[in-house]
Amino acid sequence: EVQLVQSGAEVKKPGESLKISCKGSGYSFTSYWIGWVRQMPGKGLEWMGIIYPGDSDTRYSPSFQGQVTISADKSISTAYLQWSSLKASDTAMYYCARQNKLRYFDLWGRGTLVTVSS
Amino acid sequence: SYVLTQPPSVSVAPGKTARITCGGNNIGSKSVHWYQQKPGQAPVLVIYYDSDRPSGIPERFSGSNSGNTATLTISRVEAGDEADYYCQVWDSSSGVFGGGTKLTVL
Repeated sequence: EVQLVQSGAEVKKPGESLKISCKGSGYSFTSYWIGWVRQMPGKGLEWMGIIYPGDSDTRYSPSFQGQVTISADKSISTAYLQWSSLKASDTAMYYCARQNKLRYFDLWGRGTLVTVSS
Repeated sequence: SYVLTQPPSVSVAPGKTARITCGGNNIGSKSVHWYQQKPGQAPVLVIYYDSDRPSGIPERFSGSNSGNTATLTISRVEAGDEADYYCQVWDSSSGVFGGGTKLTVL
């Protein structure tokens, strides 16, 4: 089955670091870009950035450049989204999604809920 | 950066036609994709490349794009179509989503 499986929900304190994951299966992981999308509580979708696991080429939305780091380990078909110092405003659902060569997301993970609270 | 503007909400009676717009500067020169998101669920692609439907999406869903406006049209609306809808384009090496439109089936 073609799918993206995301890591479980996280509860963190402000200032802590975090790395969440997205594992692809059922398809050639290195042949598609993987993107990350943020959805803050009650709000819309925000495009964060994408990575091409084949060569780790990465693109960020200007709004998220410098705020997060996207990486991938092609040996285990897994992409990551990480923060070095979380803020309360990072509280959100984070989706990973597979980007087709026509630049749309054709496969989505179920999301990882990140809660940052003191 | 590129901005996509959607109406916050659209209401339609069952069996009627819903039209959800997505405005952007010369959006007709870009490829527009549409996603449906129901409460508590991940988004699902319903239209790609302006007007193409992925397999499994009913023919009732269609799209168009010209000038400064792209439109998602849902014909013969059903209660199960009630959801948030987002348009998306690619601009200058990154993607952009519209703010989303909540479709209410009366």
